[in-house]
Amino acid sequence: EIVMTQSPATLSVSPGERATLSCRASQSISRYLAWYQQKPGQAPRLLIYDASTRATGIPVRFSGSGSGTEFTLTISTLQSEDFAVYYCQQYNDWPPLTFGGGTKVEIK
Amino acid sequence: QLQLLESGPGLVKASETLSLICTVSGGPVRSSTYYWGWIRQPPGKGLEWIGSIDYTGSAYYDSSLKSRVSMSVDTSKNQFSLRLTSVTEVDTAVYYCARHPDYGAMSWGQGTVVTVSS
Repeated sequence: EIVMTQSPATLSVSPGERATLSCRASQSISRYLAWYQQKPGQAPRLLIYDASTRATGIPVRFSGSGSGTEFTLTISTLQSEDFAVYYCQQYNDWPPLTFGGGTKVEIK
Repeated sequence: QLQLLESGPGLVKASETLSLICTVSGGPVRSSTYYWGWIRQPPGKGLEWIGSIDYTGSAYYDSSLKSRVSMSVDTSKNQFSLRLTSVTEVDTAVYYCARHPDYGAMSWGQGTVVTVSS
């Protein structure tokens, strides 16, 4: 099973600042990684797939990078609506499909 | 536009069986391109994959739930379903259905809350 580890667990950022979230895979997953955003009471929303491709309708301030075992989600200029929990998920080698534990981006 | 909608009892008694249905609109369940999956999220916790099934009925389950879970597909109704037997309070969660390709990200339903009562 591929274990996905996200860091930090909580990220305190001021609006307008840059946020950098990390996701590490226990073995290489090539670029088969997705990032999701989840707000309270809502389903996860796909932001990024294949490590760096923005999903339809996702603002350009969201960008993904990385390959192999190290991945990054960057939010260039945090807006108020970006405060949420972010999950990474690998789909290179399944079953099982596995998620990271999440990073909560909170207002500083 | 693809839409997935979960339905089923919101309250299940411990030791009984949890049954949920996901109704798909905007695309056929009978598709060789996609899998149809279930993911759950216990209160205050992260996302847990339960399993995925294709339109032929070939299913993959998480090993921790394998002895209690089964999934099925009904192409005539454009639905797929989840059954989880012998539930306990640890099975209390929001249950999501989703669509995903073999190597691809998920498209999610809105989720349904299931509470297991003792």
